[in-house]
Amino acid sequence: EAQVTQNPRYLITVTGKKLTVTCSQNMNHEYMSWYRQDPGLGLRQIYYSMNVEVTDKGDVPEGYKVSRKEKRNFPLILESPSPNQTSLYFCASSLSGPYGYTFGSGTRLTVV
Amino acid sequence: AQSVAQPEDQVNVAEGNPLTVKCTYSVSGNPYLFWYVQYPNRGLQFLLKYITGDNLVKGSYGFEAEFNKSQTSFHLKKPSALVSDSALYFCAVRDNGRDDKIIFGKGTRLHILP
Repeated sequence: EAQVTQNPRYLITVTGKKLTVTCSQNMNHEYMSWYRQDPGLGLRQIYYSMNVEVTDKGDVPEGYKVSRKEKRNFPLILESPSPNQTSLYFCASSLSGPYGYTFGSGTRLTVV
Repeated sequence: AQSVAQPEDQVNVAEGNPLTVKCTYSVSGNPYLFWYVQYPNRGLQFLLKYITGDNLVKGSYGFEAEFNKSQTSFHLKKPSALVSDSALYFCAVRDNGRDDKIIFGKGTRLHILP
């Protein structure tokens, strides 16, 4: 089944403890992106990648890192999480460019 | 600046009635427009897109959207609503200043009343 897989689905962590949210797609998509969803703000793009070893900042990149060493994987790294990063995170991929995304099921992160 | 607006936070429709979820946009050049749906505890799912061609675009689950260039709108429609259509709907537009990016609206919650 064609899909984007995110892990974990739920995560509660403490301020400052480094964490990684994994994202993997099995569709050979070139374009991958991370979004956060907050009430009243819709979806905001954190980082995106147009291909392997190519990443760029979205609208809200502060406090996040990404890497794209392989085509299928696009992990999101929070080096020192803070409470304002409590949010619902989505990974998405598409064949080329952000047209007709396939989204993962989301990761609900709580930073206390 | 490129932008997309969904003027209604919530829309309530009785089951069986037609539904409309509104979206307006502001972009330079030709717009690429999208609708996504998010069911509870799920990721977003792609419904339909307009890039060029017929102003009436048909998508998944019986939804369609009408592109209106003069009104800069791309409203989502369905002739007869189902309770299972209750979800959060997002309109999105390509940022023509950066065509590797799309901008999402804030979302409209659709409640279909039995």
